[in-house]
Amino acid sequence: GAGVSQTPSNKVTEKGKYVELRCDPISGHTALYWYRQSLGQGPEFLIYFQGTGAADDSGLPNDRFFAVRPEGSVSTLKIQRTERGDSAVYLCASSLTSGSNEQFFGPGTRLTVL
Amino acid sequence: DQQVKQNSPSLSVQEGRISILNCDYTNSMFDYFLWYKKYPAEGPTFLISISSIKDKNEDGRFTVFLNKSAKHLSLHIVPSQPGDSAVYFCAASDSGGSNYKLTFGKGTLLTVNP
Repeated sequence: GAGVSQTPSNKVTEKGKYVELRCDPISGHTALYWYRQSLGQGPEFLIYFQGTGAADDSGLPNDRFFAVRPEGSVSTLKIQRTERGDSAVYLCASSLTSGSNEQFFGPGTRLTVL
Repeated sequence: DQQVKQNSPSLSVQEGRISILNCDYTNSMFDYFLWYKKYPAEGPTFLISISSIKDKNEDGRFTVFLNKSAKHLSLHIVPSQPGDSAVYFCAASDSGGSNYKLTFGKGTLLTVNP
């Protein structure tokens, strides 16, 4: 079956621009997660959705970052007024339920802010 | 402060020998641990996990050992194969609290030489 997919795979933007990153979770997975992986680091938690609602957004670095999951499936991570420090690989993961520790990751979107 | 530490950025072993990857954690609330493998341009893929009620879990060539008193775990791969060459991430979660939130180490790049 299809795994987690993310689009685009690469995104280059200029400082100050707005970007949207999309995640399609595995069909039937109710839990969805966003992580950010900076160069030389492990993935860092950003936000977790259970269904349509953001159950925990404590990892979002500031209010320029926002994520939605309006129908409980596809999610979009939105970054306003991008900064060079936002450059990273943004990973999306999904799991069958929120209590499932095994999270299935997508290939990520590499964001480069010039 | 890094709650999950992988102190070896890289490890090189010969094909057929044992690979041992180490991981230390500081948060005593962590009670579930996972290892993920990551190839370039792909998302992390789940490899093996262990609950804190166990001290060993084995799956084929992969064995994870947990020493709770030392807050240390290790992944053993035997025999190592060239296809095992990848970045290995150790991750931990607190099943009694934010069980959905994985905290990752920085990863160890394993190279298995033919």
